[in-house]
Amino acid sequence: NAGVMQNPRHLVRRRGQEARLRCSPMKGHSHVYWYRQLPEEGLKFMVYLQKENIIDESGMPKERFSAEFPKEGPSILRIQQVVRGDSAAYFCASSPPWQGNQPQHFGDGTRLSIL
Amino acid sequence: GESVGLHLPTLSVQEGDNSIINCAYSNSASDYFIWYKQESGKGPQFIIDIRSNMDKRQGQRVTVLLNKTVKHLSLQIAATQPGDSAVYFCAENTARGSTLGRLYFGRGTQLTVWP
Repeated sequence: NAGVMQNPRHLVRRRGQEARLRCSPMKGHSHVYWYRQLPEEGLKFMVYLQKENIIDESGMPKERFSAEFPKEGPSILRIQQVVRGDSAAYFCASSPPWQGNQPQHFGDGTRLSIL
Repeated sequence: GESVGLHLPTLSVQEGDNSIINCAYSNSASDYFIWYKQESGKGPQFIIDIRSNMDKRQGQRVTVLLNKTVKHLSLQIAATQPGDSAVYFCAENTARGSTLGRLYFGRGTQLTVWP
């Protein structure tokens, strides 16, 4: 059973370009979360999605950032007009749809570097 | 803002010794706690979790203790091995009765195990 798959593992963009980060949740998981991590810091929540719905986007900047989790295909975190401050590791996690003791399982992240 | 923090940023132990990693939280509404291990270049890996209706839970070589009175969480690792070297994060969820929803992470403790 494959874990959470993120791609690309590393992404380099120049200022002003767009970055697209992909996340395929674990099989059977319909809840996806995106987190951002700066060096030597903990993960900070960005957005929580279910299939075709954004449940909580309170941690995501209002401008330039968007996320989706379509009915088919991976979840996408999109960053438009990237700036140097967007350089970070972006992690996706997934969990199954039922409530209970079901921890979020994480992918190995996409490391975004802005030149 | 984040409500989970850590007492010590680094911890060095001798191989074979027991390790204790501490975590403080401030949100009384938190009722689900998770410990993750993150190795360099990888995503957080689930270690153990605990609900607020428990004060202790044991896994393989790991024990989590929860003291709700002082809002303190600890991870004990028995017979620490070099492979345990990593950054350890505690995370909390405030969605009462559910493990769904965003996690709040602390900054992390770097555990180094010396042979």
